[in-house]
Amino acid sequence: GESVGLHLPTLSVQEGDNSIINCAYSNSASDYFIWYKQESGKGPQFIIDIRSNMDKRQGQRVTVLLNKTVKHLSLQIAATQPGDSAVYFCAEIWGGKLIFGQGTELSVKP
Amino acid sequence: EAGVAQSPRYKIIEKRQSVAFWCNPISGHATLYWYQQILGQGPKLLIQFQNNGVVDDSQLPKDRFSAERLKGVDSTLKIQPAKLEDSAVYLCASSRTGGNEQFFGPGTRLTVL
Repeated sequence: GESVGLHLPTLSVQEGDNSIINCAYSNSASDYFIWYKQESGKGPQFIIDIRSNMDKRQGQRVTVLLNKTVKHLSLQIAATQPGDSAVYFCAEIWGGKLIFGQGTELSVKP
Repeated sequence: EAGVAQSPRYKIIEKRQSVAFWCNPISGHATLYWYQQILGQGPKLLIQFQNNGVVDDSQLPKDRFSAERLKGVDSTLKIQPAKLEDSAVYLCASSRTGGNEQFFGPGTRLTVL
């Protein structure tokens, strides 16, 4: 049988440039948000999280921004590397469940 | 620490056949999850276990899907009979009790012909 799925948004960046991946979430009552990275043939891997009482959190080369007014998350990756090529998902914890948003496929050009 | 293990990695079956997937969570993780990930979409929760009890199976199609975690460690997910629309990657994840971070296995890619 043929699988039918959604066409993922894509982002193509040059190696060394900064990447910004955006996500709209669904539930204004969500209190915790996570960004996951999923490489081909692998499960999602935790990158960074943020609680709803924060608007910014920084990790190693990554920054997450949260705008609760418009229910928007973004992931910024500094100095993007070829190893960053993957599909990135935002997810929210709502009602005790982890709910994934639509992914974005990041492609890094050498 | 060892990650979440899943098997098989790939499975191809005919529609109306049965299939089972196995998951071994990270040692000490009491919470175990099964997700379905259709091509191009994010994972969708099917069932959540806390030790050997079901916490949430509200999105599990119970007429054909079943899951168990009899001893509170390993888990199996079964589909009987399979439909074409069940073609997807089935992901297992585990977490510490009350923990927000879930650790995912590599998944089983199921193709139903």
